[in-house]
Amino acid sequence: DAKTTQPPSMDCAEGRAANLPCNHSTISGNEYVYWYRQIHSQGPQYIIHGLKNNETNEMASLIITEDRKSSTLILPHATLRDTAVYYCIVRDNQAGTALIFGKGTTLSVSS
Amino acid sequence: GAVVSQHPSRVICKSGTSVKIECRSLDFQATTMFWYRQFPKKSLMLMATSNEGSKATYEQGVEKDKFLINHASLTLSTLTVTSAHPEDSSFYICSARDSSGAFSYNEQFFGPGTRLTVL
Repeated sequence: DAKTTQPPSMDCAEGRAANLPCNHSTISGNEYVYWYRQIHSQGPQYIIHGLKNNETNEMASLIITEDRKSSTLILPHATLRDTAVYYCIVRDNQAGTALIFGKGTTLSVSS
Repeated sequence: GAVVSQHPSRVICKSGTSVKIECRSLDFQATTMFWYRQFPKKSLMLMATSNEGSKATYEQGVEKDKFLINHASLTLSTLTVTSAHPEDSSFYICSARDSSGAFSYNEQFFGPGTRLTVL
């Protein structure tokens, strides 16, 4: 079972920041928070991951609360091509196990 | 970045036939690959874990005799759907875990998926 809770859908205007929340209240100390997205009829695409510190890369920023029970993925300037299903996943990297997907958030970016 | 390919991208077959789907890691070695299935408007469901040189581990409810997995090399895993039926029609996606440490930013990468339609 997925260990995360995400809103089923969100809307965002093109050019604005998209803030996607994720709750993972049962996360354990060894588990990382991963974000992937899936554009329609394609395989999932890696976005970012983190353990406890905030992370930023060319695609997005990941903000993790101090207690690690929730996080927010930020797309700073959403474009129409960012319309996708976004999945927040917690995973123990040392175990090398598969990523288990929940239902994700469908982000719709409109002009 | 890391590339995982799948072949074919789409396949249509008749009921009762078998279909083989290939998953390749193109620029890294993968001792472990994963197979997922996705039905329309649903999330990805893990079917099995494929380990190079050993038997695959199947998730509960997935028939190992129906979904044959072979991971014969560090860059190739195959999924064969045997005696396919219309209910097996789905989007099959593989992912490969980088065991060579070639990419420091992430270790698990997904293929583009294979759309299987069984008539």
